[in-house]
Amino acid sequence: AQSVAQPEDQVNVAEGNPLTVKCTYSVSGNPYLFWYVQYPNRGLQFLLKYITGDNLVKGSYGFEAEFNKSQTSFHLKKPSALVSDSALYFCATYNFNKFYFGSGTKLNVKP
Amino acid sequence: DGGITQSPKYLFRKEGQNVTLSCEQNLNHDAMYWYRQDPGQGLRLIYYSQIVNDFQKGDIAEGYSVSREKKESFPLTVTSAQKNPTAFYLCASSIFSSQETQYFGPGTRLLVL
Repeated sequence: AQSVAQPEDQVNVAEGNPLTVKCTYSVSGNPYLFWYVQYPNRGLQFLLKYITGDNLVKGSYGFEAEFNKSQTSFHLKKPSALVSDSALYFCATYNFNKFYFGSGTKLNVKP
Repeated sequence: DGGITQSPKYLFRKEGQNVTLSCEQNLNHDAMYWYRQDPGQGLRLIYYSQIVNDFQKGDIAEGYSVSREKKESFPLTVTSAQKNPTAFYLCASSIFSSQETQYFGPGTRLLVL
């Protein structure tokens, strides 16, 4: 079965510090991995995706994610967090016409 | 949220009432999806459609129905059989391909009176 897991319900970081939001995956075949962000009462916005190629994927708003096959992980990172990055982040994978989402991680960036 | 619209933004349902949530996209996407989001939970797939006049049940289809008469439109009806309908409903669309990104509408919040 295809699945992704986000082990942290919430991540707290200070503005200006690096941030990491964790995601691990369990898929059969080649993994197609995505990160989305959701602001309160809004739909999800696409940040980045990994299909194949370079393990380091760069996306919107300065975010990047590193695909690690040996650790089956796809952690989202940003070198310097902004207060405006505070939101709910979802990791997702795709297989056989369906997307599978993690439970979400709430990122709090404090001034 | 560009290209996908959902209406209304808020919807109130009375006991025993069916209500319909609208989803329209102008992205020329083949596939459309409906998700339910509850607090503290991820997105759960209700129904999806890959082509016009065809749709498949997702993980939590009971109490819901859909239609796909036009490529641009994928309305979701929450029937009286859905006993716990209060949630945030998200519509999404994508090109029918495993590598393509899914784009989301702004959502509809359904509340029960």
